[in-house]
Amino acid sequence: AAGVIQSPRHLIKEKRETATLKCYPIPRHDTVYWYQQGPGQDPQFLISFYEKMQSDKGSIPDRFSAQQFSDYHSELNMSSLELGDSALYFCASSLSSRTYEQYFGPGTRLTVT
Amino acid sequence: AQSVAQPEDQVNVAEGNPLTVKCTYSVSGNPYLFWYVQYPNRGLQFLLKYITGDNLVKGSYGFEAEFNKSQTSFHLKKPSALVSDSALYFCAVRDLYNNNDMRFGAGTRLTVKP
Repeated sequence: AAGVIQSPRHLIKEKRETATLKCYPIPRHDTVYWYQQGPGQDPQFLISFYEKMQSDKGSIPDRFSAQQFSDYHSELNMSSLELGDSALYFCASSLSSRTYEQYFGPGTRLTVT
Repeated sequence: AQSVAQPEDQVNVAEGNPLTVKCTYSVSGNPYLFWYVQYPNRGLQFLLKYITGDNLVKGSYGFEAEFNKSQTSFHLKKPSALVSDSALYFCAVRDLYNNNDMRFGAGTRLTVKP
């Protein structure tokens, strides 16, 4: 079965640079979530979208922004990168009618040097 | 706000023995409870969930979890552990009134020794 696709899988950036992470949800899933998992940490909810509108906001820094497009894919834009942004970034998707059942992508490992 | 506690950082069991990974939760309303497994350098994989119904939930790879409302617990169990079960396990909870915010526990590292 098709799963959530994230690209790139690995990304290395320098401090103060920008990065864009992409997420392609499972077909027919209309809701997308972003999570950040620091080294040795549990995943932290950042933000979610439904039908291209932000549906919920968690601990997303002001330097980050995200959007969902008409094909339901989502992009997480990260600017003025800091060393502390180095983490695994997960995207998850769900049907809006079953938001309790999220399916996670493999994650993008961002390393800021 | 909802929260989850996994009291054990690490659980070690011998192959073939039963395993339990503990989880307790706190929510203001009805909980949606989940277990996810994370293998090294891999994404989170869904194991099982409790929404309503039977307190004993069966999931993937022979895992099951028991919802105990009075003890606000949702412990993950498996009757006979495999070496390949060694991974990081996360318990998560969502509040009925805060649907999009899934809160994860800190994770428990399970090591199954041959």
